[in-house]
Amino acid sequence: QVQLVQSGAEVKKPGASVKVSCKASGYTFTSYGISWVRQAPGQGLEWMGWISAYNGNTNYAQKLQGRVTMTTDTSTSTAYMELRSLRSDDTAVYYCARVGITMVRGLIDYWGQGTLVTVSS
Amino acid sequence: EIVMTQSPATLSVSPGERATLSCRASQSVSSNLAWYQQKPGQAPRLLIYGASTRATGIPARFSGSGSGTEFTLTISSLQSEDFAVYYCQQYNNWPLPMYTFGQGTKLEIK
Repeated sequence: QVQLVQSGAEVKKPGASVKVSCKASGYTFTSYGISWVRQAPGQGLEWMGWISAYNGNTNYAQKLQGRVTMTTDTSTSTAYMELRSLRSDDTAVYYCARVGITMVRGLIDYWGQGTLVTVSS
Repeated sequence: EIVMTQSPATLSVSPGERATLSCRASQSVSSNLAWYQQKPGQAPRLLIYGASTRATGIPARFSGSGSGTEFTLTISSLQSEDFAVYYCQQYNNWPLPMYTFGQGTKLEIK
């Protein structure tokens, strides 16, 4: 079965960086992409960006351009999201999610369990 | 950027009744529209994709319709486990994914 298992909760100070991992199993990693979506406390879902595990192509949400980097390690079927220059309004649960690139292109179908990132001085 | 607008923000319905949730896109997304259900403390779960196709394992009481800019999610006979927040999302920008979500509709017990 498809599983996306994310790294544990993080507490960071303003200005620091955080790197969240997402280990995939149950499918061919390079046949899909990974999107990252975050959810601030009590708020809705905000798309952050996407990376193709097939060729490494990325596309980031404009508001995060320059602060976010998404990468993959195909040898371990793991995706990573790094967010720099953290601010208090980056406090959120961060989700990774699988994206179809051949069947139903662009569809987000499976989600990780989420990683809480708290930014506080 | 395509803006997705859901209505209403909150919907109060009794168990066994029908619920109808709406989603509007600021420009056409064809049928590249998905619906997700999210319960407190959980990740979203895919319900509907392609505007009207149920995802694997989703009960038949969930149905989606629409195309272009107007979409509807209908839950025909509400069960206790259906009370949650529902999000629509467009995925029309392939091959350069740029997704947007609606702000969500909270379905609560009347």
